[in-house]
Amino acid sequence: DTEVTQTPKHLVMGMTNKKSLKCEQHMGHRAMYWYKQKAKKPPELMFVYSYEKLSINESVPSRFSPECPNSSLLNLHLHALQPEDSALYLCASSRQGIVLSGNTIYFGEGSWLTVV
Amino acid sequence: KQEVTQIPAALSVPEGENLVLNCSFTDSAIYNLQWFRQDPGKGLTSLLLIQSSQREQTSGRLNASLDKSSGRSTLYIAASQPGDSATYLCAVSGGSNYKLTFGKGTLLTVNP
Repeated sequence: DTEVTQTPKHLVMGMTNKKSLKCEQHMGHRAMYWYKQKAKKPPELMFVYSYEKLSINESVPSRFSPECPNSSLLNLHLHALQPEDSALYLCASSRQGIVLSGNTIYFGEGSWLTVV
Repeated sequence: KQEVTQIPAALSVPEGENLVLNCSFTDSAIYNLQWFRQDPGKGLTSLLLIQSSQREQTSGRLNASLDKSSGRSTLYIAASQPGDSATYLCAVSGGSNYKLTFGKGTLLTVNP
């Protein structure tokens, strides 16, 4: 099973709403990632969790709040977003980091977020 | 700062043709290079991973090569099919255990 599952697939939210994106993997991977992808652009790294601890925050605005409740789950809490935050949000995981042992990184199908 | 360039940006070919996608990177101090496929509106699917000590990897009709010293990789697709139509992204890792530097991708269209 090489699957990363993301829910919901589509989300429309107002600028005052609070919502969450969820990600789950059962491959025993200890590194999990959130990426943001705008149309016709490559994915941009937002956060990395390693062994359930936040390892990397790429200077992401505080209106995005990641959470890793356990080694299989990764959430992205959204609050007071702006229309320009509308994008495809991708979750990914790898066994450890992507360098150690040449680990492949596996991506989910993404959650399409529209902020109105 | 690592920069990854993919040429061409878009490619349209008839079914059955063999084709090559190119990826170049500015800093040869990489740990590995990955090729991904992305269908419209979908996530990324890992196709091939080449570690820095390797020269090539093969999977089915796909063959990826790596020349680290010249900062180049190619993805060769044999006997292309309409189902191969997608955006192909190249990404390199180096310097950080967790960060990938992506190219902008090549949009491939295979016409029946």
